[in-house]
Amino acid sequence: QKEVEQDPGPLSVPEGAIVSLNCTYSNSAFQYFMWYRQYSRKGPELLMYTYSSGNKEDGRFTAQVDKSSKYISLFIRDSQPSDSATYLCAMNSAAGNKLTFGGGTRVLVKP
Amino acid sequence: GAVVSQHPSWVICKSGTSVKIECRSLDFQATTMFWYRQFPKQSLMLMATSNEGSKATYEQGVEKDKFLINHASLTLSTLTVTSAHPEDSSFYICSARDPAGGETQYFGPGTRLLVL
Repeated sequence: QKEVEQDPGPLSVPEGAIVSLNCTYSNSAFQYFMWYRQYSRKGPELLMYTYSSGNKEDGRFTAQVDKSSKYISLFIRDSQPSDSATYLCAMNSAAGNKLTFGGGTRVLVKP
Repeated sequence: GAVVSQHPSWVICKSGTSVKIECRSLDFQATTMFWYRQFPKQSLMLMATSNEGSKATYEQGVEKDKFLINHASLTLSTLTVTSAHPEDSSFYICSARDPAGGETQYFGPGTRLLVL
């Protein structure tokens, strides 16, 4: 079993819909949680960074962390075709810097 | 956000030659940089962790004599693929940790390597 599980998709939604992404993890030591967006043949771009549990909002993006359930989510409101990309969750513990990634979810926003 | 650059963005080389890839943090000092490899439609695979002024820590299964990493300054790390072979063809991405940003890592744009 992988340390971080993420549905590979593809997740196809119409323009303007809410995109809902999530990851589950098994390591209770993880405290720092990140979401990255990666376009084809590009490096990942940091979208959201959250420490410990709770919600964080930035523009159209909302990240949620539920450490008790070992479950994190990313919501994208008013989705645009330009949001079509692969979304990667990543996390690590306070003790180390190495990130553990999910496998990525491919998202397609259709005009 | 913090900016990380990579050079070159793509390179084609003959089998047996060595290729050097540079990773720079442009607006912050990165005590720690990371090198990843990514195959098509797969997630990132960590190759090594590079700390400024010390030897890199390689992940299990990564040949340290083949993938030479140098982190000589707080803004520059290099990855040299020695005696490259076609199976080394891949997308190589570096990231840098911004100490002011907690555990956040910022990624470079990646380098596509094709070994003929």
